[in-house]
Amino acid sequence: KAGVTQTPRYLIKTRGQQVTLSCSPISGHRSVSWYQQTPGQGLQFLFEYFSETQRNKGNFPGRFSGRQFSNSRSEMNVSTLELGDSALYLCASSLTPDGAESPYGYTFGSGTRLTVV
Amino acid sequence: GQSLEQPSEVTAVEGAIVQINCTYQTSGFYGLSWYQQHDGGAPTFLSYNGLDGLEETGRFSSFLSRSDSYGYLLLQELQMKDSASYFCAVNTGFQKLVFGTGTRLLVSP
Repeated sequence: KAGVTQTPRYLIKTRGQQVTLSCSPISGHRSVSWYQQTPGQGLQFLFEYFSETQRNKGNFPGRFSGRQFSNSRSEMNVSTLELGDSALYLCASSLTPDGAESPYGYTFGSGTRLTVV
Repeated sequence: GQSLEQPSEVTAVEGAIVQINCTYQTSGFYGLSWYQQHDGGAPTFLSYNGLDGLEETGRFSSFLSRSDSYGYLLLQELQMKDSASYFCAVNTGFQKLVFGTGTRLLVSP
């Protein structure tokens, strides 16, 4: 079956611009999470969506936002880009039972490499 | 704060056994997971421990002791392709994973 698909794979933006990243989860997976990975901070949780509802949010400024559609596809948006936003942005989906914590693990996409210049 | 501590690097030879430890301090705990990430690749789920004890999946085993806030990943019969970074991660609630700093495993012939 198809894995988690993230588009685009690479992106170069200028400071002050905004960017939208897309994620299509594995079919049947309703939980979608976003992570930022940088050499200095490692993997950091951005937010998680389940059935179009944001259930949890990490410690990132309000410039980072996301949403999930009825087909479980998700997008994240970063406005007013800063140099420090350069990172690998990873989307992950999970087969999460309704309202429960997932023991199944997350399947990650290949990520979007964002470079802010 | 929340923290997960792992060794930064471990080296071993092919065929050997290696153990990667993880100690955690988090505000919530719903399970400990392990992920493998090759350079330039995506993290790949390896194992999950929700309760104390040992879980075995092929050459990989993972252990959890909730009373000690400690877990480990055991890799047996090491192969060159096992060279990668390994991350422990705690689910602190509502699917939020807090990741460790990662352990770089180098397997030599």
